[in-house]
This record gives sequence, structure tokens and C-alpha cells, in this order.
Amino acid sequence: EPEVTQTPSHQVTQMGQEVILRCVPISNHLYFYWYRQILGQKVEFLVSFYNNEISEKSEIFDDQFSVERPDGSNFTLKIRSTKLEDSAMYFCASSRDLQETQYFGPGTRLLVL
Amino acid sequence: KNEVEQSPQNLTAQEGEFITINCSYSVGISALHWLQQHPGGGIVSLFMLSSGKKKHGRLIATINIQEKHSSLHITASHPRDSAVYICAAASNTGNQFYFGTGTSLTVIP
Repeated sequence: EPEVTQTPSHQVTQMGQEVILRCVPISNHLYFYWYRQILGQKVEFLVSFYNNEISEKSEIFDDQFSVERPDGSNFTLKIRSTKLEDSAMYFCASSRDLQETQYFGPGTRLLVL
Repeated sequence: KNEVEQSPQNLTAQEGEFITINCSYSVGISALHWLQQHPGGGIVSLFMLSSGKKKHGRLIATINIQEKHSSLHITASHPRDSAVYICAAASNTGNQFYFGTGTSLTVIP
């Protein structure tokens, strides 16, 4: 069964460093999402992406964040200058259509020191 | 502000019990999602509904659009149902999502 994959599974970085989190959505899916979950807190929406552009973003998704689909398979989230409060689990998800089930990746646990 | 509220926050049940988790939302929505988060952290989508009722195995999800309320029911609960159940509202555009804080369910054998 096709699945969403994410790399790396864990990343430790120093405050101020740039990180790129990678996701490979399911191949025939057209809608892509990033979410984050700070330890012990609820899941939060970051951004949705369709047709090579951002559809919607939350207040969390400020200028430090960017997303890109650099080729036909990868979907990346870049955090330009990480802060301590960026430490969280980051989930990627994809869906075939806007009103269809989202499939989540296993997540990348980011720790900013 | 919390656009989505879930109750209860924690729930412990005996195996075989009927379980109900509630979700209320204050925003206009295009759909309501129920998700399951496993103890290891992985998230699985259970249901996406915009009206009425859906059933999958022992799980049933209902939504009342007028009352802005949805429920997730688990019949004949089993220890393997132990997980966090999350309600998420998709905005009117379908592109933004508001999450509840989750209901942590423990089913005891």
C-alpha cells in the first residue's frame, strides 16, 4: 500500500541553523500539507500546498518557513533560522483531492538546542 | 481561542464498553476529520465527513452541522483501540485545519 515517507526521522540542530525536512507524498496525490506537534500539545496546521503554490498558511507559518516541491516527488519544509520553540514533531500529509482522506507520514522529530 | 473543543480529555474504559468522544467547533467548515494517533506518534485518518454518519467496522462518526457538533463512537471497545483520538475541522476553503486537543483513550482488558 502506498505511503507518505519523511526524512530524517530525527534531527538535532543548533539554534539559528537552517533545516530542511523532506517528505515524499503518495504519487498520485495533488494536495500536500505540513503540520507540527509540540511535545504534549495538540497538532497544529502549518501550510497547505497545491499546484506548486501555497493554498493557505497559518499564523505559525511566518517568514522563517518556506515550502517547496523541487521535483515531481519531494515536498520540503525549510526553517530558515531555527528557534528553540521550533522543537516539535513535524508531519507531512497528502491527499488525492481537497475533500479526500489525508495520509500522514511518520513525522520528523526536530530538536533545536 | 479554541476553534475546536473535544471532550473528554481522558477516557478509561473496560474492554467491551461503548465509547463516545465529542467534538464541538465554532468555525464554518467544509468537513470534519477524525484522526487516531498511536502511542508511537503516527497519525491515521479514520473519517472525513461533512454531513450525516459514517461507519467503518466498530467505529461510527456522526456530525450535526446545525449544532456544530460531531461524535466518534467505538462499539465493543478493545485494548488495541487505546490511542489519542483527534478531531480536526477543515475550513470553508478546505485548505486550513483546526485541531482539537485530542482525547486519550485507554481500554483496559
